[in-house]
Amino acid sequence: KQEVTQIPAALSVPEGENLVLNCSFTDSAIYNLQWFRQDPGKGLTSLLLIQSSQREQTSGRLNASLDKSSGRSTLYIAASQPGDSATYLCAVMEYGNKLVFGAGTILRVKS
Amino acid sequence: GAVVSQHPSRVICKSGTSVKIECRSLDFQATTMFWYRQFPKQSLMLMATSNEGSKATYEQGVEKDKFLINHASLTLSTLTVTSAHPEDSSFYICSARSTPETQYFGPGTRLLVL
Repeated sequence: KQEVTQIPAALSVPEGENLVLNCSFTDSAIYNLQWFRQDPGKGLTSLLLIQSSQREQTSGRLNASLDKSSGRSTLYIAASQPGDSATYLCAVMEYGNKLVFGAGTILRVKS
Repeated sequence: GAVVSQHPSRVICKSGTSVKIECRSLDFQATTMFWYRQFPKQSLMLMATSNEGSKATYEQGVEKDKFLINHASLTLSTLTVTSAHPEDSSFYICSARSTPETQYFGPGTRLLVL
């Protein structure tokens, strides 16, 4: 059974700092990996999607990498801003199109 | 990006009553929709996969008679929590699949059962 783990569970950083969120998964037979953002009491916003054949994806200040063989992904946020404060969820899509989520990293960027 | 709506956004009900939550894909057709449940400070857990015109597929441990799912059209799926109890209080989120690899998520429905 696929399990997705995110470290750290929570992170507090001063504004402007670069940071890395980690995600690991137990079964490397995945279709893709996605990073989502969730604001309190809200739904999910997709940030980046990495296909299983890709190594990384970039969008603005965000960069996500994928090492499928080792079952790891990282989300790098450059020059963090208070508006980046949210919960970041990592999810892998298994063949059969089911998404399996990690528990998330709660990020707080202090101004 | 594509838009998925949920209604209501928030509902409070008495124990023993049934609650219906709607999930709509507003600008695309979705043959498949998913229902998730999220407890406070926990991740999303897939409850069931809703397929238009056929019965939903429930994940292990999810009672299909408790959580009734109807996917009557290509833009609407409903989740009915029957005879709700306080332990059913949670945040319910739906998603709609637009391509095999892409799901768009609704804003969620907060259910509180008193």
